Amino acid sequence: EVQLVESGGGLVQPGGSLRLSCEVSGISFTNYWMNWVRQAPGKGLEWVANIKEDGSEKSYLDSVKGRFTISRDNAKNSLYLQMNSLRAEDTAVYYCAGGLGGDYWGPGTLVTVSP
Amino acid sequence: DIQMTQSPSSLSASVGDRVTITCRASQGIGKYLAWFQQKPGKAPRSLISTVSSLQGWVPSRFSGSGSGTDFTLTISSLQSEDFATYYCQQYYNYPFTFGPGTKVDI
Repeated sequence: EVQLVESGGGLVQPGGSLRLSCEVSGISFTNYWMNWVRQAPGKGLEWVANIKEDGSEKSYLDSVKGRFTISRDNAKNSLYLQMNSLRAEDTAVYYCAGGLGGDYWGPGTLVTVSP
Repeated sequence: DIQMTQSPSSLSASVGDRVTITCRASQGIGKYLAWFQQKPGKAPRSLISTVSSLQGWVPSRFSGSGSGTDFTLTISSLQSEDFATYYCQQYYNYPFTFGPGTKVDI
């Protein structure tokens, strides 16, 4: 069974930092591009970032460039998102998704940025 | 950025109905078009990748078609478990972008 499980969300003040993690099992992690996608409360889906199988290529949404960093540890079958200088507009459920076209998704972790 | 639009934004249907959702890209995206289903309070689930390739867990009543800039998701005979919001996404160019969603309800 394929499982992606995010963790690390929570309440943080504007300007603060959080590190999200996603543990993956049931697929050959090293064969998959990995993405972070977010969904603000009551809104649609927004792609945030992705990383190539070997970590050699990374891409970001313009609004998070310079603030967010995506990384992966293939030895641990894990994906990460380091989020710095958080803003209220970053408040969302963050999902990790496996595959360039998002074949597999985790249940998400909620990030709330508020004073 | 490539803009994705969907129509309709919502529709009401009955069990057994044939449902078609349209997705349009602001420029050509080749075959890099995916469809997702999301139920309230749940994560999205992949239905279709590369325009028409069904994921293994997806019933055959779902199908995808299209090319260039115009794409469709069809549900041949709507079932109760299909009431949800459906999103298309292009993964041809960065940033990857989603359509605004189509809510299918009774």
